[in-house]
Amino acid sequence: DAKTTQPNSMESNEEEPVHLPCNHSTISGTDYIHWYRQLPSQGPEYVIHGLTSNVNNRMASLAIAEDRKSSTLILHRATLRDAAVYYCILRDFRRGGSQGNLIFGKGTKLSVKP
Amino acid sequence: DSGVTQTPKHLITATGQRVTLRCSPRSGDLSVYWYQQSLDQGLQFLIQYYNGEERAKGNILERFSAQQFPDLHSELNLSSLELGDSALYFCASSGSGGGGQGHEQYFGPGTRLTVT
Repeated sequence: DAKTTQPNSMESNEEEPVHLPCNHSTISGTDYIHWYRQLPSQGPEYVIHGLTSNVNNRMASLAIAEDRKSSTLILHRATLRDAAVYYCILRDFRRGGSQGNLIFGKGTKLSVKP
Repeated sequence: DSGVTQTPKHLITATGQRVTLRCSPRSGDLSVYWYQQSLDQGLQFLIQYYNGEERAKGNILERFSAQQFPDLHSELNLSSLELGDSALYFCASSGSGGGGQGHEQYFGPGTRLTVT
């Protein structure tokens, strides 16, 4: 799986939008972009994934660059509960959704200030 | 609540001992994954089972083994334990569907293993 690069940490104020960047310059055409987060003392939690188009769900939005070499996870209004480590992960869709393990990097630690 | 359960929550044991960690996947999920999270190594994939068969192996030590039973629950066996095996062990499950289904992995709350 191709590598991703994320900032080690970011800070946000509560109720403000947060843009978490991820660079994946060696992404292949068959790689999905996945985001997971891990709240303190909990297991990782799926956030969102996409291939080429921007995606929205109840948790967040995923903006994917036209050349797919970078993406941004957008939390529209950060809450204290969003303080977590956010992981950007690439997964080759040819391996199938049920066949591919996740390769976690160090992620971005997001702090949210009240 | 992810729907994935893991027992026990905490386990304290001595070096050289053997322990078994148990995972029950979400209802209907055929794939089970085991991950280890330690302070120095981060989250690392250990092994995956799909409908009872081993599907993929990661950085799993020879002292560790796993299996998935016909009711789809899985067990991770850790033997000849060393101090460095102290970590959080997570189980995750995912569905079997193609396309957009099965992309998400659902993680359990983890088992914290302390080897003294």
